[in-house]
Amino acid sequence: KQEVTQIPAALSVPEGENLVLNCSFTDSAIYNLQWFRQDPGKGLTSLLLIQSSQREQTSGRLNASLDKSSGRSTLYIAASQPGDSATYLCAARPNQAGTALIFGKGTTLSVSS
Amino acid sequence: EPEVTQTPSHQVTQMGQEVILRCVPISNHLYFYWYRQILGQKVEFLVSFYNNEISEKSEIFDDQFSVERPDGSNFTLKIRSTKLEDSAMYFCASRQDRNEQFFGPGTRLTVL
Repeated sequence: KQEVTQIPAALSVPEGENLVLNCSFTDSAIYNLQWFRQDPGKGLTSLLLIQSSQREQTSGRLNASLDKSSGRSTLYIAASQPGDSATYLCAARPNQAGTALIFGKGTTLSVSS
Repeated sequence: EPEVTQTPSHQVTQMGQEVILRCVPISNHLYFYWYRQILGQKVEFLVSFYNNEISEKSEIFDDQFSVERPDGSNFTLKIRSTKLEDSAMYFCASRQDRNEQFFGPGTRLTVL
């Protein structure tokens, strides 16, 4: 059964710093992996989707990588800003007929000005 | 930009009552989902729906739960007899063939 883990659970950085959020999954046979942002008490905003055949995806200051063989994905945030403060979730879609996403618990990021 | 909408944003109910949570998926999407997030825990999959039928469901989605697409735009989750442990944020999501799932803002369900 696929398990998704995110470390660290919380991270505090000063504004302007580049940072990496980690996501690991136990079964390397995933179909795709999606990164989300969640603000307190709010919904999930999709940030990036990486297909199993891809190594990375970029959107603005965000870059997500995928290494299926090691069961890891990272989300790189360049030049962090206070507005980046939120919880970041990764979710894996298992490589099977089902399309349900399996979520990690998230990393709560706080960027101070 | 099109988005998934959900109503109500907050629902308070008494234990044993029936609740219906409503979602309007993005209009040209074909696949629909319900997830829930108990406070402080992971987002958990409940059910997926495609071509007017359930395509997948989790162990959480027992006989107390049902889903329906009553018309061309709405997608609903019904909980027949709510329990205290049903208190959670419920998210609706939808997707096209492109695989990216888009989530709504959620309905916070509080069972007293």
